[in-house]
Amino acid sequence: KNEVEQSPQNLTAQEGEFITINCSYSVGISALHWLQQHPGGGIVSLFMLSSGKKKHGRLIATINIQEKHSSLHITASHPRDSAVYICAVRKYGNKLVFGAGTILRVKS
Amino acid sequence: EAGVTQFPSHSVIEKGQTVTLRCDPISGHDNLYWYRRVMGKEIKFLLHFVKESKQDESGMPNNRFLAERTGGTYSTLKVQPAELEDSGVYFCASSYGSENEQFFGPGTRLTVL
Repeated sequence: KNEVEQSPQNLTAQEGEFITINCSYSVGISALHWLQQHPGGGIVSLFMLSSGKKKHGRLIATINIQEKHSSLHITASHPRDSAVYICAVRKYGNKLVFGAGTILRVKS
Repeated sequence: EAGVTQFPSHSVIEKGQTVTLRCDPISGHDNLYWYRRVMGKEIKFLLHFVKESKQDESGMPNNRFLAERTGGTYSTLKVQPAELEDSGVYFCASSYGSENEQFFGPGTRLTVL
């Protein structure tokens, strides 16, 4: 079993829908990252958080340290949000452990 | 400010050959990381430099892989000799301080035939 589990693996949404991607982890961490990778593109860091909630534009990330769970929300989704979203946790010692990613497709 | 750059973007080599990947971190970033995604799997950590020193190389798969960061600026990752299972995308990331956000490069896609 991976130390970081994401769900769903694949997600298709209609433009405008509210999207949630979940990440659960089983190890002690110092921070959690949400990353985005567009097809053929590099990896972009969306958020790094260790508690509470962060918001950037239409993206919101939350983390519950006690439950070892984080969610990434996209409001008013758009086709340009189509990408792979990756959850990664930073273990003590600063090594990142990655989830398998969620492939999101937003249809117009 | 320039981001993390990697060279080459693609490399196709034959089994048994040698390949060297290069990563230029963001200027001033003392921490540099190498990661790899092989087909169908999640991204995995390879190693972590702080300046020119290897802080953690626990993810290096075997002794065919050699990473260096002479002078604490750019880093190279050499695979010698390459095997089929080394195919994948190799990512580099850098950060200022080990607890700060990591910025990723575009990756090098390595194909070993």
